Amino acid sequence: GQQLNQSPQSMFIQEGEDVSMNCTSSSIFNTWLWYKQDPGEGPVLLIALYKAGELTSNGRLTAQFGITRKDSFLNISASIPSDVGIYFCAGQLSGGADGLTFGKGTHLIIQP
Amino acid sequence: GAVVSQHPSRVICKSGTSVKIECRSLDFQATTMFWYRQFPKQSLMLMATSNEGSKATYEQGVEKDKFLINHASLTLSTLTVTSAHPEDSSFYICSAADTRKYNSPLHFGNGTRLTVT
Repeated sequence: GQQLNQSPQSMFIQEGEDVSMNCTSSSIFNTWLWYKQDPGEGPVLLIALYKAGELTSNGRLTAQFGITRKDSFLNISASIPSDVGIYFCAGQLSGGADGLTFGKGTHLIIQP
Repeated sequence: GAVVSQHPSRVICKSGTSVKIECRSLDFQATTMFWYRQFPKQSLMLMATSNEGSKATYEQGVEKDKFLINHASLTLSTLTVTSAHPEDSSFYICSAADTRKYNSPLHFGNGTRLTVT
Protein backbone atom coordinates (compact mmCIF):
# COMPACT_ATOMS: atom_id res chain seq x y z
CA GLY A 1 0.00 0.00 0.00
CA GLN A 2 0.91 3.65 0.11
CA GLN A 3 3.65 4.79 2.43
CA LEU A 4 4.12 8.07 4.18
CA ASN A 5 7.60 9.20 5.08
CA GLN A 6 7.48 11.03 8.38
CA SER A 7 10.45 12.79 9.89
CA PRO A 8 12.11 13.12 12.20
CA GLN A 9 11.61 9.79 13.94
CA SER A 10 12.30 11.34 17.32
CA MET A 11 13.08 14.74 18.76
CA PHE A 12 14.73 15.65 22.03
CA ILE A 13 14.05 19.29 22.81
CA GLN A 14 14.02 21.71 25.70
CA GLU A 15 10.78 23.02 27.11
CA GLY A 16 9.82 26.23 25.36
CA GLU A 17 11.40 25.33 22.03
CA ASP A 18 9.49 25.20 18.78
CA VAL A 19 9.02 21.87 17.03
CA SER A 20 8.62 21.03 13.37
CA MET A 21 7.86 17.68 11.76
CA ASN A 22 6.74 16.73 8.28
CA CYS A 23 5.37 14.00 6.08
CA THR A 24 5.86 13.29 2.43
CA SER A 25 4.19 10.86 0.11
CA SER A 26 4.87 9.53 -3.37
CA SER A 27 1.19 9.88 -4.21
CA ILE A 28 -1.39 12.56 -3.53
CA PHE A 29 -3.92 12.65 -0.75
CA ASN A 30 -7.07 14.73 -0.60
CA THR A 31 -7.01 15.02 3.17
CA TRP A 32 -4.11 15.26 5.58
CA LEU A 33 -4.55 14.79 9.30
CA TRP A 34 -2.29 15.03 12.30
CA TYR A 35 -2.85 12.93 15.42
CA LYS A 36 -1.15 12.62 18.80
CA GLN A 37 -1.02 9.29 20.59
CA ASP A 38 -0.22 8.83 24.26
CA PRO A 39 0.95 5.40 25.49
CA GLY A 40 -1.83 2.82 25.63
CA GLU A 41 -4.41 5.09 24.08
CA GLY A 42 -5.88 5.70 20.67
CA PRO A 43 -4.75 8.61 18.51
CA VAL A 44 -6.37 11.97 19.16
CA LEU A 45 -7.05 14.28 16.24
CA LEU A 46 -5.09 17.53 16.33
CA ILE A 47 -5.66 19.13 12.95
CA ALA A 48 -7.45 18.15 9.74
CA LEU A 49 -6.52 19.70 6.39
CA TYR A 50 -8.76 19.48 3.34
CA LYS A 51 -7.37 21.85 0.70
CA ALA A 52 -3.98 22.06 -0.96
CA GLY A 53 -2.14 25.04 0.46
CA GLU A 54 -4.38 25.22 3.52
CA LEU A 55 -2.72 26.49 6.68
CA THR A 56 -4.60 25.74 9.89
CA SER A 57 -3.88 26.48 13.53
CA ASN A 58 -5.10 24.88 16.72
CA GLY A 59 -3.69 26.78 19.67
CA ARG A 60 0.09 26.38 19.58
CA LEU A 61 -0.16 23.93 16.69
CA THR A 62 0.00 24.90 13.05
CA ALA A 63 -0.22 22.53 10.11
CA GLN A 64 -0.12 23.00 6.36
CA PHE A 65 -1.36 20.93 3.45
CA GLY A 66 1.29 21.08 0.75
CA ILE A 67 0.47 22.57 -2.64
CA THR A 68 1.42 19.35 -4.41
CA ARG A 69 -0.90 17.39 -2.06
CA LYS A 70 2.02 15.09 -1.36
CA ASP A 71 3.25 16.61 1.86
CA SER A 72 2.28 18.27 5.10
CA PHE A 73 4.03 19.74 8.10
CA LEU A 74 3.12 20.27 11.73
CA ASN A 75 4.67 22.94 13.91
CA ILE A 76 4.34 23.23 17.67
CA SER A 77 5.36 26.51 19.21
CA ALA A 78 6.67 27.04 22.74
CA SER A 79 6.55 23.36 23.69
CA ILE A 80 5.33 22.35 27.14
CA PRO A 81 5.75 19.05 29.03
CA SER A 82 2.30 17.75 28.06
CA ASP A 83 3.30 17.90 24.38
CA VAL A 84 5.33 14.74 24.95
CA GLY A 85 4.01 11.84 22.90
CA ILE A 86 4.01 10.35 19.44
CA TYR A 87 2.71 12.44 16.57
CA PHE A 88 1.38 10.77 13.45
CA CYS A 89 0.55 12.24 10.12
CA ALA A 90 -2.13 10.48 8.11
CA GLY A 91 -3.34 10.80 4.56
CA GLN A 92 -6.77 10.00 3.23
CA LEU A 93 -7.91 9.76 -0.35
CA SER A 94 -11.53 10.74 0.21
CA GLY A 95 -13.37 11.97 3.27
CA GLY A 96 -14.97 9.26 5.36
CA ALA A 97 -14.94 6.51 2.79
CA ASP A 98 -11.29 5.54 2.96
CA GLY A 99 -9.11 4.38 5.78
CA LEU A 100 -6.05 6.37 6.70
CA THR A 101 -2.47 5.74 5.70
CA PHE A 102 -0.24 6.64 8.61
CA GLY A 103 3.30 7.88 8.84
CA LYS A 104 5.64 6.04 11.20
CA GLY A 105 5.37 8.70 13.86
CA THR A 106 7.55 11.31 15.47
CA HIS A 107 8.37 10.68 19.11
CA LEU A 108 8.62 14.02 20.91
CA ILE A 109 10.61 14.07 24.13
CA ILE A 110 10.89 17.24 26.15
CA GLN A 111 13.72 17.75 28.57
CA PRO A 112 13.01 20.09 31.48
CA GLY B 1 -17.23 16.32 19.59
CA ALA B 2 -17.31 12.90 18.00
CA VAL B 3 -16.65 10.10 20.45
CA VAL B 4 -15.71 6.55 19.58
CA SER B 5 -15.91 3.99 22.35
CA GLN B 6 -14.01 0.72 22.22
CA HIS B 7 -14.46 -2.25 24.54
CA PRO B 8 -12.72 -4.00 26.17
CA SER B 9 -9.64 -1.90 26.72
CA ARG B 10 -7.57 -4.95 27.65
CA VAL B 11 -8.06 -8.65 27.17
CA ILE B 12 -5.89 -11.66 27.90
CA CYS B 13 -6.89 -14.94 26.35
CA LYS B 14 -5.50 -18.40 25.83
CA SER B 15 -4.23 -19.57 22.49
CA GLY B 16 -7.01 -21.06 20.39
CA THR B 17 -9.84 -19.02 21.86
CA SER B 18 -11.76 -16.22 20.15
CA VAL B 19 -12.00 -12.64 21.29
CA LYS B 20 -14.61 -10.04 20.33
CA ILE B 21 -13.85 -6.32 20.34
CA GLU B 22 -16.61 -3.73 20.07
CA CYS B 23 -16.41 -0.28 18.52
CA ARG B 24 -19.26 2.17 19.05
CA SER B 25 -19.85 5.67 17.77
CA LEU B 26 -21.51 7.36 20.72
CA ASP B 27 -22.99 10.54 19.33
CA PHE B 28 -23.02 10.04 15.58
CA GLN B 29 -23.79 7.49 12.90
CA ALA B 30 -21.08 5.79 10.92
CA THR B 31 -21.83 3.67 7.86
CA THR B 32 -18.13 2.95 7.67
CA MET B 33 -15.73 2.12 10.45
CA PHE B 34 -12.11 1.12 10.21
CA TRP B 35 -10.00 -1.36 12.15
CA TYR B 36 -6.29 -0.87 12.67
CA ARG B 37 -3.57 -2.88 14.33
CA GLN B 38 -0.54 -1.41 16.00
CA PHE B 39 2.49 -3.41 17.13
CA PRO B 40 4.79 -1.96 19.81
CA LYS B 41 6.69 1.11 18.70
CA GLN B 42 5.16 0.95 15.25
CA SER B 43 2.58 2.91 13.37
CA LEU B 44 -1.05 2.00 12.84
CA MET B 45 -1.78 -0.34 9.96
CA LEU B 46 -5.22 -0.49 8.40
CA MET B 47 -6.65 -4.01 8.61
CA ALA B 48 -10.13 -3.67 7.20
CA THR B 49 -13.01 -1.40 6.40
CA SER B 50 -16.27 -2.27 8.12
CA ASN B 51 -19.39 -1.44 6.09
CA GLU B 52 -22.81 -1.26 7.71
CA GLY B 53 -25.11 -3.84 6.20
CA SER B 54 -22.54 -5.39 3.89
CA LYS B 55 -19.30 -7.32 3.91
CA ALA B 56 -16.13 -5.82 5.23
CA THR B 57 -13.24 -5.16 2.88
CA TYR B 58 -9.85 -6.37 4.00
CA GLU B 59 -6.40 -5.04 3.29
CA GLN B 60 -3.91 -7.24 1.53
CA GLY B 61 -2.43 -9.83 3.85
CA VAL B 62 -5.22 -9.70 6.43
CA GLU B 63 -7.10 -12.99 6.74
CA LYS B 64 -10.83 -12.38 6.61
CA ASP B 65 -11.62 -15.75 8.18
CA LYS B 66 -9.42 -14.98 11.13
CA PHE B 67 -10.55 -11.41 11.72
CA LEU B 68 -14.33 -11.48 11.46
CA ILE B 69 -16.00 -8.11 11.18
CA ASN B 70 -19.67 -7.41 11.73
CA HIS B 71 -21.24 -3.98 11.29
CA ALA B 72 -24.85 -4.64 12.19
CA SER B 73 -25.92 -1.10 12.99
CA LEU B 74 -24.89 2.47 12.22
CA THR B 75 -23.21 2.80 15.60
CA LEU B 76 -21.58 -0.58 16.20
CA SER B 77 -18.86 -2.62 14.54
CA THR B 78 -17.29 -5.70 16.06
CA LEU B 79 -13.99 -7.40 15.33
CA THR B 80 -13.63 -11.03 16.37
CA VAL B 81 -10.18 -12.52 16.44
CA THR B 82 -10.81 -16.22 15.93
CA SER B 83 -8.53 -18.97 17.16
CA ALA B 84 -6.14 -16.41 18.52
CA HIS B 85 -2.42 -17.15 18.65
CA PRO B 86 0.40 -15.31 20.42
CA GLU B 87 1.39 -13.56 17.19
CA ASP B 88 -2.06 -11.92 17.20
CA SER B 89 -1.13 -10.07 20.38
CA SER B 90 -1.32 -6.41 19.46
CA PHE B 91 -3.10 -3.12 20.03
CA TYR B 92 -6.31 -3.02 17.99
CA ILE B 93 -7.89 0.37 17.34
CA CYS B 94 -11.08 1.31 15.55
CA SER B 95 -12.02 4.61 13.97
CA ALA B 96 -15.14 6.19 12.55
CA ALA B 97 -16.36 9.41 10.99
CA ASP B 98 -19.79 11.03 11.08
CA THR B 99 -21.54 9.84 7.92
CA ARG B 100 -23.88 12.84 7.89
CA LYS B 101 -21.13 15.44 7.81
CA TYR B 102 -19.08 16.10 4.70
CA ASN B 103 -15.36 15.74 5.27
CA SER B 104 -15.86 14.68 8.87
CA PRO B 105 -12.45 13.57 10.13
CA LEU B 106 -11.85 10.12 11.53
CA HIS B 107 -11.87 9.79 15.32
CA PHE B 108 -10.37 6.86 17.13
CA GLY B 109 -11.37 4.64 19.99
CA ASN B 110 -8.96 4.16 22.88
CA GLY B 111 -7.81 0.81 21.59
CA THR B 112 -7.87 -2.77 22.85
CA ARG B 113 -4.70 -4.38 24.11
CA LEU B 114 -4.92 -8.08 23.21
CA THR B 115 -2.51 -10.51 24.82
CA VAL B 116 -2.68 -14.14 23.73
CA THR B 117 -0.89 -16.58 26.03
